[in-house]
Amino acid sequence: GAVVSQHPSWVICKSGTSVKIECRSLDFQATTMFWYRQFPKQSLMLMATSNEGSKATYEQGVEKDKFLINHASLTLSTLTVTSAHPEDSSFYICSAHLSGRGSNQPQHFGDGTRLSIL
Amino acid sequence: AQKITQTQPGMFVQEKEAVTLDCTYDTSDPSYGLFWYKQPSSGEMIFLIYQGSYDQQNATEGRYSLNFQKARKSANLVISASQLGDSAMYFCAMREDTGRRALTFGSGTRLQVQP
Repeated sequence: GAVVSQHPSWVICKSGTSVKIECRSLDFQATTMFWYRQFPKQSLMLMATSNEGSKATYEQGVEKDKFLINHASLTLSTLTVTSAHPEDSSFYICSAHLSGRGSNQPQHFGDGTRLSIL
Repeated sequence: AQKITQTQPGMFVQEKEAVTLDCTYDTSDPSYGLFWYKQPSSGEMIFLIYQGSYDQQNATEGRYSLNFQKARKSANLVISASQLGDSAMYFCAMREDTGRRALTFGSGTRLQVQP
């Protein structure tokens, strides 16, 4: 079946560091990928929609200069947390929707990245 | 206003019994999809079941079934014959077919299956 790979699965780094998270669709093309953030004991909140070949669409309250998204190909989207601070510590998870398929197709999720900023 | 509401923060069920997890939704889009995902403690999101707004019959996938009541805007998940491995967070989600088509999630229900 369709698989989404997310890397790294765990990051611990110092405050001020920039961290890049990759999301790859392994056996299908995805013109659109989504980035979610999940704080402990909370639900997933959409951060941004990543569009292949164009700018990402950010949700209200999400700083686009802090969370840089690049979707350079049909199988890869990256999220870079720039100058990360402890409040950016969270679980980040990406998902992809099969291009050209109907609405009954589930979004396939990566396994997520746990980001801890010291 | 919340688009997806899960009113049960936590649920307990005995092994081998059935359990219903509640979900109500709100949308003005006539075409939408409803999903249930399971999230174990390891964090990955596991797709369980889908119900389309135009589907006439309730969806079923093995031990999972979705009790879809469109007029009441509810999409409850029924897990039959609960297993210890079913213990996890369960999220109801909706995708409206207009716009960006991202998923909107409910707050989740933590299910604990007791032996």
